[in-house]
Amino acid sequence: EVQLEESGGGLIQPGGSLRLSCAVAGFTVNGNYMGWIRQAPGKGLEWVSYIYSGGSTYFADSVKGRFTLSRDNSKNTLYLQMNNLRGDDTALYYCATIVVQPPDAYFDHWGQGTQVTVSS
Amino acid sequence: DIQMTQSPSSLSASVGDRVTISCRASESITTSLNWYQHKPGFAPKLLIYTASTLRRGVPSRFSGSGSGTDFTLTISSLQPEDFATYYCQQSFSITWTFGQGTKVEMK
Repeated sequence: EVQLEESGGGLIQPGGSLRLSCAVAGFTVNGNYMGWIRQAPGKGLEWVSYIYSGGSTYFADSVKGRFTLSRDNSKNTLYLQMNNLRGDDTALYYCATIVVQPPDAYFDHWGQGTQVTVSS
Repeated sequence: DIQMTQSPSSLSASVGDRVTISCRASESITTSLNWYQHKPGFAPKLLIYTASTLRRGVPSRFSGSGSGTDFTLTISSLQPEDFATYYCQQSFSITWTFGQGTKVEMK
């Protein structure tokens, strides 16, 4: 069974930084696709970022240049480094595994999310 | 970026009703379209991928259709556990996008 557990969220001032972690069991982070999705209060789901099996990363325009993705293969964990945080980054952040078997590409297993609140 | 527009934004329905949700892409995405169900306090759940393939374990009352720019999610007979928000999501372009969601509420 695949299980994902996000952590690292919290209250942070505008301009600050946070690193979210996504610890994964039952699925190998290294060499697979994974991503982050967020949901702002009262809003819908928004794709944030994903990492390809080969390590290439892609970001939504709203976070490009401020967020980075990395993974620790020894801990089987995915990280989202968030810098220069703004009020509109306030959201529940989910990590998810991604299946890519052309033509199929979708978010498969999801974590329960970690809350990030950006406020002074 | 490819924009995804769902309609309606919300709907009221009764148990047993047939429910149809539409999703339109701003350009052709062939069949690179997925549907998710999201309930408050829970993680979103994949229902259908590649426009019409039912994920294993998802009840057969859910179905998806469409290609190009226009897609549909149908619930053939709404059950109490189906009251939720439904999202379409395209995986055609490098940057993925979700629709704004359709909330299915009890009439």
